[in-house]
Amino acid sequence: GAGVSQSPRYKVAKRGQDVALRCDPISGHVSLFWYQQALGQGPEFLTYFQNEAQLDKSGLPSDRFFAERPEGSVSTLKIQRTQQEDSAVYLCASSLGTVRGYTFGSGTRLTVV
Amino acid sequence: RKEVEQDPGPFNVPEGATVAFNCTYSNSASQSFFWYRQDCRKEPKLLMSVYSSGNEDGRFTAQLNRASQYISLLIRDSKLSDSATYLCVVNSQGGGADGLTFGKGTHLIIQP
Repeated sequence: GAGVSQSPRYKVAKRGQDVALRCDPISGHVSLFWYQQALGQGPEFLTYFQNEAQLDKSGLPSDRFFAERPEGSVSTLKIQRTQQEDSAVYLCASSLGTVRGYTFGSGTRLTVV
Repeated sequence: RKEVEQDPGPFNVPEGATVAFNCTYSNSASQSFFWYRQDCRKEPKLLMSVYSSGNEDGRFTAQLNRASQYISLLIRDSKLSDSATYLCVVNSQGGGADGLTFGKGTHLIIQP
């Protein structure tokens, strides 16, 4: 597609529920990033893929967070046993892989109740 | 100390005025610098890259001072549509090989 596509756009989860957030990057973009943005804050890095390889997951806040990109294109961020503090916008971004600016998707707004 | 620091504002500026804000970064090894713009409830969008020699794009001028580790953004003849949050962004090893670290953003409000 022309841009980075994320789904769902909004997700309300009950505390303890598992959720899966999808990101479809720009075709041909090697690098894919997940960020978490809490209200009033800048995006915080979660994890980074180069093709199917997860090169950095240092930003994942706990072992309840898991991300994959099995075929080097679409990526899924999974959050197990959601907690209220997980409520945030989850942004996916992709780039051509060199150090340059990213293109972000519209994000998934997760609300845990 | 946070890696990228910005004054959160808000900056309230009359239409047509010039406004400038800075951002400081702590990682002296950072090589790439950007300004992103984020509108309310929207995703961040790349506004401009920041080069060592400074660069200009229309009404926007970005400058980098490596010695003092700060980046600036100047907006001339501000428009109502410039109202947004401006995010200062630097590359950081902590954010992955190509990872970028974002500041919290500076909120700009252009008033008619």
